[in-house]
Amino acid sequence: GENVEQHPSTLSVQEGDSAVIKCTYSDSASNYFPWYKQELGKGPQLIIDIRSNVGEKKDQRIAVTLNKTAKHFSLHITETQPEDSAVYFCAASPTGTASKLTFGTGTRLQVTL
Amino acid sequence: NAGVTQTPKFRVLKTGQSMTLLCAQDMNHEYMYWYRQDPGMGLRLIHYSVGEGTTAKGEVPDGYNVSRLKKQNFLLGLESAAPSQTSVYFCASNTPASGSETQYFGPGTRLLVL
Repeated sequence: GENVEQHPSTLSVQEGDSAVIKCTYSDSASNYFPWYKQELGKGPQLIIDIRSNVGEKKDQRIAVTLNKTAKHFSLHITETQPEDSAVYFCAASPTGTASKLTFGTGTRLQVTL
Repeated sequence: NAGVTQTPKFRVLKTGQSMTLLCAQDMNHEYMYWYRQDPGMGLRLIHYSVGEGTTAKGEVPDGYNVSRLKKQNFLLGLESAAPSQTSVYFCASNTPASGSETQYFGPGTRLLVL
């Protein structure tokens, strides 16, 4: 089955700096890659996703890049703010329908003032 | 529009006891999922359903059963709870065929098995 590795497990940045979280996947059939943000005591919430026919996608301060050849994808957050502090999860779906997502182990991002 | 709701929010069980976790969604989604979240392990799929009356096993189905008698509800059962089932359980739903593959998650149920 699919295996998704995520790094780093914790990340601390100063407000205004950029944060990068990286994931690798093993199944070359995966073609849907969402990123979820989980705030304390809440369920995960989708923040951005990308399909394998696209190399990069951007939404305001958040961007995701995908290198299908190397089987890795990354989340980039620019101009970080305290409210960006949360746990971020990457995921991959080999079916392309998000019916069976495999999640990474999560990155705890702390944005300090 | 409440989205995905889960009942209860928190529960303590003794080893061997049984319980049912309820998930309800009001978005008319076809697919529903049950995940467990453990420290350092991300979310792992327990069971899922692609429609009313259907269920399928996920990555970690042992010790759990599910039922989808109504489209809006997905129940997760523990027949004989074990300490290894101490976890936070999340329900999610979506309709992939609609063009939006986003899975919408509930707030979670925290379960402690003593």
